[in-house]
Amino acid sequence: AQSVAQPEDQVNVAEGNPLTVKCTYSVSGNPYLFWYVQYPNRGLQFLLKYITGDNLVKGSYGFEAEFNKSQTSFHLKKPSALVSDSALYFCAVRDTNDYKLSFGAGTTVTVRA
Amino acid sequence: NAGVTQTPKFQVLKTGQSMTLQCAQDMNHNSMYWYRQDPGMGLRLIYYSASEGTTDKGEVPNGYNVSRLNKREFSLRLESAAPSQTSVYFCASSEIRGGAEAFFGQGTRLTVV
Repeated sequence: AQSVAQPEDQVNVAEGNPLTVKCTYSVSGNPYLFWYVQYPNRGLQFLLKYITGDNLVKGSYGFEAEFNKSQTSFHLKKPSALVSDSALYFCAVRDTNDYKLSFGAGTTVTVRA
Repeated sequence: NAGVTQTPKFQVLKTGQSMTLQCAQDMNHNSMYWYRQDPGMGLRLIYYSASEGTTDKGEVPNGYNVSRLNKREFSLRLESAAPSQTSVYFCASSEIRGGAEAFFGQGTRLTVV
């Protein structure tokens, strides 16, 4: 069985400060890992993914994420948050030997001006 | 290029009524997925399909049926709707090759009264 945990329901940061959204995962084999963002009343938009290779991956809108195999984590980061980054963020995992794509419960990010 | 198209966008059903949610993608993807999104629960996988003619149960399949009509279309049917099925439903598709990200539709907001 595979699963994703996002331990924080909400993250609040001031504009210009670093933003971190945490994610841990569990799979039987090796993982493909993804981050998505959802704005109100919209579908999910892909931000970035880890497939293999470099543990630090860069994605859209200045976001990056670090894969840590020993801690089974894939935390999303942004060095300097913007008010427009306020949204709902989802982490997702897929086992490299399967097609099932599982999501976490989501983390609401609020960036205050 | 429309991507993933879901119909309808909104629907109100009475308890016991049936309906089919439609999903079509024009990206020639093999894998397709149905999720439901509920507050605090994230996205929960209902059913998924790795290719035309194959379907698999996800985390919450009870009360739903699916049909992979062809490579483009993946429909979700509620045979006898219940208030617990009030939710926002998302369809997604992805390439079958390893590490490909999924693309999402805009969602169907379903209310069962």
